[in-house]
Amino acid sequence: AQKVTQAQTEISVVEKEDVTLDCVYETRDTTYYLFWYKQPPSGELVFLIRRNSFDEQNEISGRYSWNFQKSTSSFNFTITASQVVDSAVYFCALSEMEKAGANSKLTFGKGITLSVRP
Amino acid sequence: ETGVTQSPTHLIKTRGQQVTLRCSSQSGHNTVSWYQQALGQGPQFIFQYYREEENGRGNFPPRFSGLQFPNYSSELNVNALELDDSALYLCASSLGFSSYNEQFFGPGTRLTVL
Repeated sequence: AQKVTQAQTEISVVEKEDVTLDCVYETRDTTYYLFWYKQPPSGELVFLIRRNSFDEQNEISGRYSWNFQKSTSSFNFTITASQVVDSAVYFCALSEMEKAGANSKLTFGKGITLSVRP
Repeated sequence: ETGVTQSPTHLIKTRGQQVTLRCSSQSGHNTVSWYQQALGQGPQFIFQYYREEENGRGNFPPRFSGLQFPNYSSELNVNALELDDSALYLCASSLGFSSYNEQFFGPGTRLTVL
């Protein structure tokens, strides 16, 4: 069975602070994808990143960076110089990689509510 | 290009009633997945449809059923509503059922069961 744990439930920071959102996952699959989504108050989930289990390189996109460590089953997300617009709920998710009979079901964590104060 | 749309936006029903939620997938997308998101929780997978056939189902009872139409739009039906069915229902469309294909989410339907 797949499981995603986001132990932090709420984080509050002041604008321009850096913040790291933690994600730990469990899966028996040897190949899988990991994702981060952002959910603003409007409700729809906004895709941020997908990483496959073969690629442990860290990734940076503007103020966002991701640290994938297979040895600790973690996929952490850091926002540098946070802004008020970053306030949202952030979800980490896991799915199995394509194989016969598979589907693209996402297993989500419970989410982390990030509040960035001016 | 039109994104994923869902209707209605909000819905209030009473226990025991039936409800139908609708999802229009993004143009060209042949796969639709439905998720239930209870308050303060992450979305949970209900089922997925690929080219009008169910392609996987989560841990939901049979009173949750779905359809996908030839134009790839989809419906989620819930019979005999229970209070715990109150949630945000999200649909996501993608070009294929592989996890490689990015899923695009709609804004959701907020269902309240009284």
